[in-house]
Amino acid sequence: EVQLVESGGGLVQPGRSLRLSCAASGFTFDDYAMHWVRQAPGKGLEWVSGIGWNSGTIDYADSVKGRFTISRDNAKNSLYLQMHSLRPEDTAFYYCTKDTLPGRSSGGGMDVWGQGTTVTVSS
Amino acid sequence: EIVLTQSPATLSLSPGERATLSCRASQSVSIYLAWYQQKPGQAPRLLIYDASNTATGIPARFSGSGSGTDFTLTISSLEPEDFAVYYCQHRSNWPFTFGGGTKVEIK
Repeated sequence: EVQLVESGGGLVQPGRSLRLSCAASGFTFDDYAMHWVRQAPGKGLEWVSGIGWNSGTIDYADSVKGRFTISRDNAKNSLYLQMHSLRPEDTAFYYCTKDTLPGRSSGGGMDVWGQGTTVTVSS
Repeated sequence: EIVLTQSPATLSLSPGERATLSCRASQSVSIYLAWYQQKPGQAPRLLIYDASNTATGIPARFSGSGSGTDFTLTISSLEPEDFAVYYCQHRSNWPFTFGGGTKVEIK
């Protein structure tokens, strides 16, 4: 079964750091680009960051650029999001997602989503 | 950054009716547009990718069309389980932004 399982969320004070992890199983992890998507309470979806299958392509939403770092460990079938200088507006449900098309950095869609992990930034 | 505008914000329809949802991009994204469905308390589900390709396991009543800047998601005959929020996302170049969503509600 294809599965993504996020972990690492929690309550954190403004200005602090948090690292999210996503464990992948059931597919050839290093064939696919991976992404983080978040959803603030009662709001729509926001693409946060993505990383190509070989880490050759990496990008971030302007809202997190310079504060968040995405990485992957293909040997461990894992995706990460290191978040620094957290702000109250970073409070959201964070999803790990898998791309539909192998070896591509555009086109397709996100066909597998994790169950998500909650990040709450508050003093 | 490409901005996606979805319309209408809310669509009130009855089961059995046809739903037509629109997504407009601020610049051409070629055919690289995806549609997702999200129900309360659930992760989004991929419906359509590359404008008109139906994702695995998606019923035939869902179809997508368009290219360039204007795209449409059509649900040919609404089933009770189709009442949800729908998002478009461009997949042309990073960042892969989402539209604001269209809520399809029961009339």
